[in-house]
Amino acid sequence: GENVEQHPSTLSVQEGDSAVIKCTYSDSASNYFPWYKQELGKRPQLIIDIRSNVGEKKDQRIAVTLNKTAKHFSLHITETQPEDSAVYFCAADPTGANNLFFGTGTRLTVIP
Amino acid sequence: EAEVAQSPRYKITEKSQAVAFWCDPISGHATLYWYRQILGQGPELLVQFQDESVVDDSQLPKDRFSAERLKGVDSTLKIQPAELGDSAMYLCASSPSGRNTEAFFGQGTRLTVV
Repeated sequence: GENVEQHPSTLSVQEGDSAVIKCTYSDSASNYFPWYKQELGKRPQLIIDIRSNVGEKKDQRIAVTLNKTAKHFSLHITETQPEDSAVYFCAADPTGANNLFFGTGTRLTVIP
Repeated sequence: EAEVAQSPRYKITEKSQAVAFWCDPISGHATLYWYRQILGQGPELLVQFQDESVVDDSQLPKDRFSAERLKGVDSTLKIQPAELGDSAMYLCASSPSGRNTEAFFGQGTRLTVV
């Protein structure tokens, strides 16, 4: 099955700085890569996703890049704000049927 | 905004007892998932339904776990007997039919087995 690794496990940045979270996957059949944000005690929520026919996608302060050859994808958050503090999970779907394999999460803390 | 509903929010049970969780997906979502999230880890898929049919239960410990979605709408996940290692957050999610559609998660049921 798919194996998704995520780094770092914790990340602290100063407000206004950028944050980068990296994930690698093992199954070359994976073609869908969503990122979820989970605030303390709340449900995971999709913040951005990318499909394998695209190398980069942006949504305001959030961007995701995908390198299919190297089997890695990254989340970039610019101009971080305290409300960005949460646990972020990457995931990969090797089936096309929304069978998501999640990374272990990155706890991001934005220091005001 | 439509949400995935789960109950109960919290459940404490003694080991060897039976426990059940309920999930009501967003109306019209054909696909329903049950995930288990151990503290400090990412969600792990237990079972996936398409309407009332199971499409993937390869990670479901079938000796003690069972799941059903009889009418293709709401779903129940049962554990019998519960073990200490089952303590985790159980998340339900749903998504519309189609390839790579967004999965919407519920608030989860936090299970503690004592």
